Amino acid sequence: DAGVIQSPRHEVTEMGQEVTLRCKPISGHDYLFWYRQTMMRGLELLIYFNNNVPIDDSGMPEDRFSAKMPNASFSTLKIQPSEPRDSAVYFCASSPLKGGGTEAFFGQGTRLTVV
Amino acid sequence: GENVEQHPSTLSVQEGDSAVIKCTYSDSASNYFPWYKQELGKRPQLIIDIRSNVGEKKDQRIAVTLNKTAKHFSLHITETQPEDSAVYFCAARYRYSTLTFGKGTMLLVSP
Repeated sequence: DAGVIQSPRHEVTEMGQEVTLRCKPISGHDYLFWYRQTMMRGLELLIYFNNNVPIDDSGMPEDRFSAKMPNASFSTLKIQPSEPRDSAVYFCASSPLKGGGTEAFFGQGTRLTVV
Repeated sequence: GENVEQHPSTLSVQEGDSAVIKCTYSDSASNYFPWYKQELGKRPQLIIDIRSNVGEKKDQRIAVTLNKTAKHFSLHITETQPEDSAVYFCAARYRYSTLTFGKGTMLLVSP
């Protein structure tokens, strides 16, 4: 398995534009997580899915952020409209159900810069 | 929700010395405590983990200890090497399958 795959690796966009980040979890993993990493706040959980269903989105900062998981092999995180303070590295991670959903496997991340 | 505190935020050691990073958690129901290593520009990767029914776990030069009563756990790296330089994150599992991370410790090992 190639691991968790995220795209794009880097995204530079202008303030006000829509940004869509994509994630392909490891096949067979039941849980998918979206994290945001910044120097100030560290790794923050934004939202997670279990079997494609959003379970907890309390970490989503505001209504400009939305996430979907239309099937077991694909998820998106959308920011509309984007703002400079959204600049961060966004990680997607997946985890298997067996063993109580233990290790989270991270993707390479998407470095988002909003200018 | 769970709250994880991690100390120190930065740690500088000489090659060959030991390094210790400490974390505390708030939810006594948390039962899984992984440690991740993140090299510059890379993804966080699991290096060792411990469950609440175990007090200590070792893997070569790294070890983790857990004190459930005090709700703290620590990462120990012995005989540090320059390639150990990275940011280390502790985490605690609160609820089923969500991980709450500490703010990270930047470890710098000088030759």
